[in-house]
Amino acid sequence: NAGVTQTPKFQVLKTGQSMTLQCAQDMNHNSMYWYRQDPGMGLRLIYYSASEGTTDKGEVPNGYNVSRLNKREFSLRLESAAPSQTSVYFCASSRHQPQHFGDGTRLSIL
Amino acid sequence: TQLLEQSPQFLSIQEGENLTVYCNSSSVFSSLQWYRQEPGEGPVLLVTVVTGGEVKKLKRLTFQFGDARKDSSLHITAAQPGDTGLYLCAGFMDSNYQLIWGAGTKLIIKP
Repeated sequence: NAGVTQTPKFQVLKTGQSMTLQCAQDMNHNSMYWYRQDPGMGLRLIYYSASEGTTDKGEVPNGYNVSRLNKREFSLRLESAAPSQTSVYFCASSRHQPQHFGDGTRLSIL
Repeated sequence: TQLLEQSPQFLSIQEGENLTVYCNSSSVFSSLQWYRQEPGEGPVLLVTVVTGGEVKKLKRLTFQFGDARKDSSLHITAAQPGDTGLYLCAGFMDSNYQLIWGAGTKLIIKP
């Protein structure tokens, strides 16, 4: 009963490096989301995909790109990492509501 | 900008005490969800309230949705150390199918 699986769990990058965070869900959900979580700021939506083949910007999309590879997989890419992107990143999926979350990727940009 | 203000941000109390967490907004939500998050894990849904004035109970936790569907509260009776965690509220808006998240309440229950 995997639910939402995120890889990697931890990553340290240098400023300017690129990286792709992976997310896969096995619940046959149409919608998938990427959030970042910073202390005292709750969850902020980066991008979401309402269905396979569509993606839309959320509240804080700058510096990120996404790909909805198929119904199961939704990846988040940092093209040129910046220290301000140090955060915990969560992927979530849903049929309608509520959202089901992975355990997060802890990303540090030095 | 749609905001959901959650208070308090941090609460540390003794085992056996009662507490209430509040979420307030000027926006009307079609439903409001409460999640709990433990360190190293993602948020997990506790309850969804849908109807204005609705009250739901989950053991020692009581959730209430305001009559105007703009606010909600979580009341914990006789808190236990196992209640320790980050509690998040999130309001769902039909207009854009988005969840608006509160900043969270970090709750510590001391034995």
